[in-house]
Amino acid sequence: ETGVTQTPRHLVMGMTNKKSLKCEQHLGHNAMYWYKQSAKKPLELMFVYSLEERVENNSVPSRFSPECPNSSHLFLHLHTLQPEDSALYLCASSQEPVSGSPYNEQFFGPGTRLTVL
Amino acid sequence: DAKTTQPPSMDCAEGRAANLPCNHSTISGNEYVYWYRQIHSQGPQYIIHGLKNNETNEMASLIITEDRKSSTLILPHATLRDTAVYYCIVRVAGNQGGKLIFGQGTELSVKP
Repeated sequence: ETGVTQTPRHLVMGMTNKKSLKCEQHLGHNAMYWYKQSAKKPLELMFVYSLEERVENNSVPSRFSPECPNSSHLFLHLHTLQPEDSALYLCASSQEPVSGSPYNEQFFGPGTRLTVL
Repeated sequence: DAKTTQPPSMDCAEGRAANLPCNHSTISGNEYVYWYRQIHSQGPQYIIHGLKNNETNEMASLIITEDRKSSTLILPHATLRDTAVYYCIVRVAGNQGGKLIFGQGTELSVKP
């Protein structure tokens, strides 16, 4: 148990569906992240939120839409996905340090296994 | 952030020390070395990090060479539960948006 929860754990959706992934952190952190892990590929960073503002968008297609309503919650809204979007979606959080200090570790949730049919 | 190179896989006997190498020959002076691991079907887990001194915690030890171009993660008494993919990552300190860039990592198999 890392203090980061994700729901649902498994999701199957059609290409025309709209769904949302939810992440909640109970650690009091000020930064949250979405990563994607496709089969046989390294984890890819998708989005970074720091102090509830998006600070990074790694050229992610617009069919993925993140939302960070407060420092404890992060959503990933999905619409008109493609089969190649099937992957494990991981959420993480960290306490962002002051400038010049080493980063604190990121705590990851268990992930949502997404299958797009 | 600097690139890292790790062997794709390693085996280790249960109870023995597992020594996982990482090359980061282009590391710059303000980059730290981080290690994470990912047990199958779980999210990655932080293990340890360091700048230039050797570090030890309850999970592992990190040995960084004097020139900082390589490092070794040591699991002193590997157990079957240590079977996982181990990622070595270098990161600049204190940039806004502390992203982790994962490579392929080393798949460690601990065998009875």
